[in-house]
Amino acid sequence: TQLLEQSPQFLSIQEGENLTVYCNSSSVFSSLQWYRQEPGEGPVLLVTVVTGGEVKKLKRLTFQFGDARKDSSLHITAAQPGDTGLYLCAGAMAGGTSYGKLTFGQGTILTVHP
Amino acid sequence: NAGVTQTPKFQVLKTGQSMTLQCAQDMNHEYMSWYRQDPGMGLRLIHYSVGAGITDQGEVPNGYNVSRSTTEDFPLRLLSAAPSQTSVYFCASSNRRSGANVLTFGAGSRLTVL
Repeated sequence: TQLLEQSPQFLSIQEGENLTVYCNSSSVFSSLQWYRQEPGEGPVLLVTVVTGGEVKKLKRLTFQFGDARKDSSLHITAAQPGDTGLYLCAGAMAGGTSYGKLTFGQGTILTVHP
Repeated sequence: NAGVTQTPKFQVLKTGQSMTLQCAQDMNHEYMSWYRQDPGMGLRLIHYSVGAGITDQGEVPNGYNVSRSTTEDFPLRLLSAAPSQTSVYFCASSNRRSGANVLTFGAGSRLTVL
């Protein structure tokens, strides 16, 4: 059973379109991270959200943490081919120090066509 | 800074063989971890360490051993490789000061077990 359900698993869109990726769980997280991974490389951190209801923006990317800290979303405005990659959400379980132990979603493979 | 360095990048083993995946970080991070990445399953935690001499199991520890004799190194040992261990392995590190959950990943080691 996947603790963090990420959807959709695949997304193929045209340049200029908007998209949203969702990360849902029945568990509460103390923080949630979004990573981006390119082929042959390790994941690279995009953002960390820690407060319920928090919204963070990174250029055309908007990240939101749910009020109950059980879910998160990543919205990309006017997607570009350079946004192509694997997007991963990862959460640290609430209660105590996680020591870098994260639970990852299945990932979303995004392809943006020129 | 090199960050997190993993070797080898690629490895092919026969069932029953043993090997060690190496991981070294030069950021003086106290927390280190090993994840495996399989298609459609995101990353799953194998083992982690909160400091030299201290290790613990993650979600999928069976068939793997770790040790942490120094702050810098965290090798992952496969004692008797099985085809189910075919995967891409990522080592990650973090520290309390920058955020225990802000992981820096290596570039990965792709292992194939025949």
